[in-house]
Amino acid sequence: QKEVEQNSGPLSVPEGAIASLNCTYSDRGSQSFFWYRQYSGKSPELIMSIYSNGDKEDGRFTAQLNKASQYVSLLIRDSQPSDSATYLCAVSPRRGGADGLTFGKGTHLIIQP
Amino acid sequence: DVKVTQSSRYLVKRTGEKVFLECVQDMDHENMFWYRQDPGLGLRLIYFSYDVKMKEKGDIPEGYSVSREKKERFSLILESASTNQTSMYLCASRGGLAGGDYEQYFGPGTRLTVT
Repeated sequence: QKEVEQNSGPLSVPEGAIASLNCTYSDRGSQSFFWYRQYSGKSPELIMSIYSNGDKEDGRFTAQLNKASQYVSLLIRDSQPSDSATYLCAVSPRRGGADGLTFGKGTHLIIQP
Repeated sequence: DVKVTQSSRYLVKRTGEKVFLECVQDMDHENMFWYRQDPGLGLRLIYFSYDVKMKEKGDIPEGYSVSREKKERFSLILESASTNQTSMYLCASRGGLAGGDYEQYFGPGTRLTVT
């Protein structure tokens, strides 16, 4: 059974600080990794994808992947109240293709003004 | 921008009714998916399709069927709705292996209540 584990939180971070979200996965053969943001009552919105070991930066967001440790993280710099949401980590065995993603249950992030 | 649309945002049906949830994507993606999302259980894959008229069961297909007659459209069917199918239903689409678009995009969701 493929599993993706996340701390459910809530994770409370002061405005302007760095929020660090973590995720581990069980399928060592996984090739694609995604972070989604989901506001209450809304559908998940893709914010980052990463396919290779190392860091990938996009604006205030940095995704980090370590396949040897089966670990993915998301850093949010200069956190804003609008970043308050549930963040879902998702994993796929291939790049693209018909495989559905396996999702973690999400980390609830609260940015305190 | 990828756009995935779903036919209804909110739906209320009675037990035993046949329910159709429609999803359309405009990115010419080969792959389409139906998930449901429930508190404490997260997102679970119901069915997916990798081509017109092709379908595969996901993790929780019982009580559901799907139809894909056109590439852009993927329908989820609840043959006889039950109260335990009350949930948020999310459609998604994703490019193929050769397309270079590996990312999966979701529609806005349909919140279905079965009474």
